[in-house]
Amino acid sequence: GEDVEQSLFLSVREGDSSVINCTYTDSSSTYLYWYKQEPGAGLQLLTYIFSNMDMKQDQRLTVLLNKKDKHLSLRIADTQTGDSAIYFCAEVRSNDYKLSFGAGTTVTVRA
Amino acid sequence: DGGITQSPKYLFRKEGQNVTLSCEQNLNHDAMYWYRQDPGQGLRLIYYSQIVNDFQKGDIAEGYSVSREKKESFPLTVTSAQKNPTAFYLCASSHGALTGNVYEQYFGPGTRLTVT
Repeated sequence: GEDVEQSLFLSVREGDSSVINCTYTDSSSTYLYWYKQEPGAGLQLLTYIFSNMDMKQDQRLTVLLNKKDKHLSLRIADTQTGDSAIYFCAEVRSNDYKLSFGAGTTVTVRA
Repeated sequence: DGGITQSPKYLFRKEGQNVTLSCEQNLNHDAMYWYRQDPGQGLRLIYYSQIVNDFQKGDIAEGYSVSREKKESFPLTVTSAQKNPTAFYLCASSHGALTGNVYEQYFGPGTRLTVT
C-alpha cells in the first residue's frame, strides 16, 4: 500500500475553503510537500512545511501539521476555478531521503 | 527562462520497441529524477542521478535504463523488457545536497507514452 495516503476526490463550491488531508508513515520525515498538477501537465511545487513547524501560511494556502497523528492538511481559502487540479502530498523518506508521494486528491471547483 | 523540458509530449510505440524519452534542464541543478505516474496512483521513482556520470535505481527500475553524460540532460529509455510501459513519465530536478534543498524538486511537463 501507499506510505502516504490521501482521499481521492474533493468537490468544493467556488469561494468556499478547500481542505485536503494526508496521512504519512515516516515519523522521521523532515519535510512534507504539497504539489499541484493541472490536467496533462507536470507537478508544480505549492508549498512545504518543515517537521518542527505546526503551521505555515502562504497567501491563500495554509498547511497544518500534526506530527503526533502524522497528519498533514492543505487549506485553500476562497477556492477559485483555477484551483481545480490534482493535489499531491509528499514526504521525505528518512531511509533514503527520496520523496514518497500520495495518490493525489482531485479537487473539482463548482460554480 | 529557466526550467525543465521534456519531449515529446505524446509518444506512441509498438510493443517490443525500445523508446527514449528526453529530459533537459537549465536550472543548473545537480540532481535529476524520473518518475512514472499511473491513474489513481502516486508518482513512483524509476531512476535518479545526483551527479554527472552517476545514477541509481529507484523503486521500479526494471525494464528502464538511463544515462547522465551531461549535467543538463537525463534521458530515459523504456526497453522492451518493461512489462507495462504505457504511462505518464515525469522528469524532475533539484539542487544537490551541498548546493541547496535536495528535496525541493521541480518537474517538467511530462511525456505520455502509449505502447500498443
